[in-house]
Amino acid sequence: AQTVTQSQPEMSVQEAETVTLSCTYDTSESDYYLFWYKQPPSRQMILVIRQEAYKQQNATENRFSVNFQKAAKSFSLKISDSQLGDAAMYFCAYRSADRDDKIIFGKGTRLHILP
Amino acid sequence: DAMVIQNPRYQVTQFGKPVTLSCSQTLNHNVMYWYQQKSSQAPKLLFHYYDKDFNNEADTPDNFQSRRPNTSFCFLDIRSPGLGDAAMYLCATSSSFLSSGTDTQYFGPGTRLTVL
Repeated sequence: AQTVTQSQPEMSVQEAETVTLSCTYDTSESDYYLFWYKQPPSRQMILVIRQEAYKQQNATENRFSVNFQKAAKSFSLKISDSQLGDAAMYFCAYRSADRDDKIIFGKGTRLHILP
Repeated sequence: DAMVIQNPRYQVTQFGKPVTLSCSQTLNHNVMYWYQQKSSQAPKLLFHYYDKDFNNEADTPDNFQSRRPNTSFCFLDIRSPGLGDAAMYLCATSSSFLSSGTDTQYFGPGTRLTVL
């Protein structure tokens, strides 16, 4: 069975600085999708960024980028120029390419932005 | 805007009194999910519908039931809520690969359930 591990329950970063959230996963599959979801204090979960495992190029969305290391099964999220609105719980998630109806979440990392 | 809507946003019930939470979507997605999320934890999948096919997670208590009368609506019924069922309940949707959809799940704002 696949698992997703986020080893940092909480992190803090100064506003305008860069922070990296780590995520590792375990799978025997070769084709899959990885996601970072953000859940602000208002609690609506929104997608931040996604990565297809067959793509070597790291995904980027504005200030958010990932470092995808397939061999190491690592999928970290980098947030550049951190803003107060980035404060949230961040969940790393995995979805199999073979089974398209379920995703597996990590336990989350709570990110605090210090003004 | 296309979206996932959950009603009510806050629900208070008494111990043992049945409660129903609702979810609707305008995305025309064929897959709908119900998650339970307790404070500072990851969402826990309770069950999901793949079209009309109901898929129950092995560890979902019998106390939780679901109905999906049509593509747009899905309901979560808690037959006899206990204090341990107090949580945020999240509905999500996605479009399966078979229908050439995306692999992303879209979440509603959640319903916070309080059990007195």
